[in-house]
Amino acid sequence: EAGVTQSPRYAVLQEGQAVSFWCDPISGHDTLYWYQQPRDQGPQLLVYFRDEAVIDNSQLPSDRFSAVRPKGTNSTLKIQSAKQGDTATYLCASSQGQGQNTLYFGAGTRLSVL
Amino acid sequence: GEQVEQRPPHLSVREGDSAIIICTYTDSATAYFSWYKQEAGAGLQLLMSVLSNVDRKEEQGLTVLLNKKDKRLSLNLTAAHPGDSAVYFCAVRPFNTGKLTFGDGTVLTVKP
Repeated sequence: EAGVTQSPRYAVLQEGQAVSFWCDPISGHDTLYWYQQPRDQGPQLLVYFRDEAVIDNSQLPSDRFSAVRPKGTNSTLKIQSAKQGDTATYLCASSQGQGQNTLYFGAGTRLSVL
Repeated sequence: GEQVEQRPPHLSVREGDSAIIICTYTDSATAYFSWYKQEAGAGLQLLMSVLSNVDRKEEQGLTVLLNKKDKRLSLNLTAAHPGDSAVYFCAVRPFNTGKLTFGDGTVLTVKP
């Protein structure tokens, strides 16, 4: 069974540039999560979806970040105008349901904003 | 919201020794408790999870203890070996929600 796939693995930007991250969850998983992991910190939830619906985006900086999952499968996280403070690893995870079920994480996209 | 504190931030042990990592949490509604391992350049790998009705779980050299009264969760690696060297995270959430809250991690180094 294929795991959670993310691309790109690395991204380097200047401040003000835009970037998109792509996630392909495990087949059949209805719940998809985006986490931000700053260096030397634990992951912090940005947004999560059940199918194509956003369940919680309260921690997503809505002025510059957006996330979509139009068909309830793959998802894209976009940063419109990156800041140095966005430097982090962006992790995607998926699960079957959102209760007790295990989250499976991708390897992440490491973003550096110069 | 939920606050999770994890300690120690760095832990160095000799091969064959035990390594203990502790997390404390604040939300009494927390119902799901887990430990993840993150190796360099890799994603998070689930090691073990327990629900709030479990006080102790052992699996393949790992022991998770849950003290709900003190809101404390611990991971004990018995007989650590160099391959256990990685960053370990606790993660907790209330029942029936996907909102996992992570600790800030423990960098474990196991020396031969």
